[in-house]
Amino acid sequence: GAVVSQHPSWVICKSGTSVKIECRSLDFQATTMFWYRQFPKQSLMLMATSNEGSKATYEQGVEKDKFLINHASLTLSTLTVTSAHPEDSSFYICSAGGTILGTGELFFGEGSRLTVL
Amino acid sequence: AQSVTQLDSHVSVSEGTPVLLRCNYSSSYSPSLFWYVQHPNKGLQLLLKYTSAATLVKGINGFEAEFKKSETSFHLTKPSAHMSDAAEYFCVASKTSYDKVIFGPGTSLSVIP
Repeated sequence: GAVVSQHPSWVICKSGTSVKIECRSLDFQATTMFWYRQFPKQSLMLMATSNEGSKATYEQGVEKDKFLINHASLTLSTLTVTSAHPEDSSFYICSAGGTILGTGELFFGEGSRLTVL
Repeated sequence: AQSVTQLDSHVSVSEGTPVLLRCNYSSSYSPSLFWYVQHPNKGLQLLLKYTSAATLVKGINGFEAEFKKSETSFHLTKPSAHMSDAAEYFCVASKTSYDKVIFGPGTSLSVIP
């Protein structure tokens, strides 16, 4: 299947700093990518839809200024957690695929574990 | 509104015994349905998918699921559990297209030696 890569897998930062997480589609082009947040023992919560060359579409309740999404190319979307606080600590996962690949299947990155001290 | 329910938050089985993870959906139309598995601190891997073809769907690692429209269910089964099956399982339904999906709350599967 298609491959979606996330980097970094783990990141620890101090409160008040910003952290960037990258999501890459390695063997296909993705005009749309999705960013999810997952709390321990819970399901994935869709944060936003990342659209190549245009603004991201955020789900209700997600702070646009806190979670900056940039989809500058057909293979790369980035999520920047700005002025991170301990409550932003979470597991962040991206996905791509679906109708783009014609399979109906979304492919997920390995996830990025963010810990804010 | 579309929703996905996984009736059991946690299931525990003995190695070598059958696995049943339940999933029910509500939708105004026939959705596409998926089962994904997530091992600790990892992304999601597709086990199988239903897209209005055969109602009995076979997936990887010996898993299968049956789509029952009358019961609005898409339960995941496996005849014999392995230790490596211990993970979190998510039932997922498509929303408007294949791209934006609805996740169930997940079922944690434990396999006892």
